[in-house]
Amino acid sequence: GAVVSQHPSWVICKSGTSVKIECRSLDFQATTMFWYRQFPKQSLMLMATSNEGSKATYEQGVEKDKFLINHASLTLSTLTVTSAHPEDSSFYICSARDQGRVTEAFFGQGTRLTVV
Amino acid sequence: GQQLNQSPQSMFIQEGEDVSMNCTSSSIFNTWLWYKQDPGEGPVLLIALYKAGELTSNGRLTAQFGITRKDSFLNISASIPSDVGIYFCAGQGAGNMLTFGGGTRLMVKP
Repeated sequence: GAVVSQHPSWVICKSGTSVKIECRSLDFQATTMFWYRQFPKQSLMLMATSNEGSKATYEQGVEKDKFLINHASLTLSTLTVTSAHPEDSSFYICSARDQGRVTEAFFGQGTRLTVV
Repeated sequence: GQQLNQSPQSMFIQEGEDVSMNCTSSSIFNTWLWYKQDPGEGPVLLIALYKAGELTSNGRLTAQFGITRKDSFLNISASIPSDVGIYFCAGQGAGNMLTFGGGTRLMVKP
């Protein structure tokens, strides 16, 4: 149990286009999902907290108009990188917290975004 | 964002050796979590600790929640090549937010 699926695993896009990344909790309900960004050889940096049915909470320095988050159901959150630029290239990871096990967070497999 | 102090940053050991890594924080946490991340993958939960002083094992892995609630360690006994990866500690405080350590990169020589 407690599987989080992230899609796509990798994506290459042209500068100026938008990319959508999906995060699904497959066997549990998640009222809260988290989006992280990870640079090479670095730790995970929290970008935003996604709450089902309400607006996401963004960390300081993260542009909400650039990184659009939608959490429309208890099993799906999406992150859309709008008007992508090469500096947006990174590894994006989502995590979801099981409602029944509030203290544990499970991670998706990550999405490698390359903007050319 | 805030990070925990995780050490060592990297380790290069011989297969069969034991490994120890730890995290310290200036803040108190209610929960400590240890994750392993393989290249190009998301972190996988190894051990979760919920009480100060708690000592928990998962196979060859043992982790402890420090008495002061400001630190935790992870030990790996008899390392094998598949233990290679990056290990992250994470502390969870009020509000259920996770704060991650900087990671320990483990390399095992067969």
